[in-house]
Amino acid sequence: EAGVAQSPRYKIIEKRQSVAFWCNPISGHATLYWYQQILGQGPKLLIQFQNNGVVDDSQLPKDRFSAERLKGVDSTLKIQPAKLEDSAVYLCASSLDIVGTGELFFGEGSRLTVL
Amino acid sequence: AQKITQTQPGMFVQEKEAVTLDCTYDTSDPSYGLFWYKQPSSGEMIFLIYQGSYDQQNATEGRYSLNFQKARKSANLVISASQLGDSAMYFCAMRGGVDTGRRALTFGSGTRLQVQP
Repeated sequence: EAGVAQSPRYKIIEKRQSVAFWCNPISGHATLYWYQQILGQGPKLLIQFQNNGVVDDSQLPKDRFSAERLKGVDSTLKIQPAKLEDSAVYLCASSLDIVGTGELFFGEGSRLTVL
Repeated sequence: AQKITQTQPGMFVQEKEAVTLDCTYDTSDPSYGLFWYKQPSSGEMIFLIYQGSYDQQNATEGRYSLNFQKARKSANLVISASQLGDSAMYFCAMRGGVDTGRRALTFGSGTRLQVQP
């Protein structure tokens, strides 16, 4: 079974530029999450989708961050314009919420450096 | 609101010894789940073990066990017979309100474990 795919793995941009990250969850997983992990900290939820609807975006800085999951499968997270403090790893995760523990399966992350 | 506290920024353990990583939590949800994840230097988060708030027994998965003390609101991870490959960051996480469909995890700040030969 293929895992959660993310791209690009690394991105370096200057402040005020824009960047987009892509995520393809595990097949059949209805719920998709974007987390931000700043160096030395635990992941922080940015947005949660169930199919193509937003469940929780309360911690998403909506003045500069946007995310979509138009067809209920893959998702894109965009930052425009980027700030220095956006330097972090952006982790995408998915979960199967029918039975079991419903653990999250994570991708390898997209590391963003803003100069 | 949910909160996870991991008070040990770093831990050292000798190879083949056991180690306990601490985690305390706070939530007003009557039903919740507790998770531990491992994050090696490669960056991927790897699920280790899960404990439900109503589970009567402590969870175990191979060399991992969860010491769940509900009254103390603690969910410590015990790794037995440490191996060099266990060196990584370890995160405790909580999912609350499962009855209302909230499924995102709240993570602690993590503990860096270093296993010494």
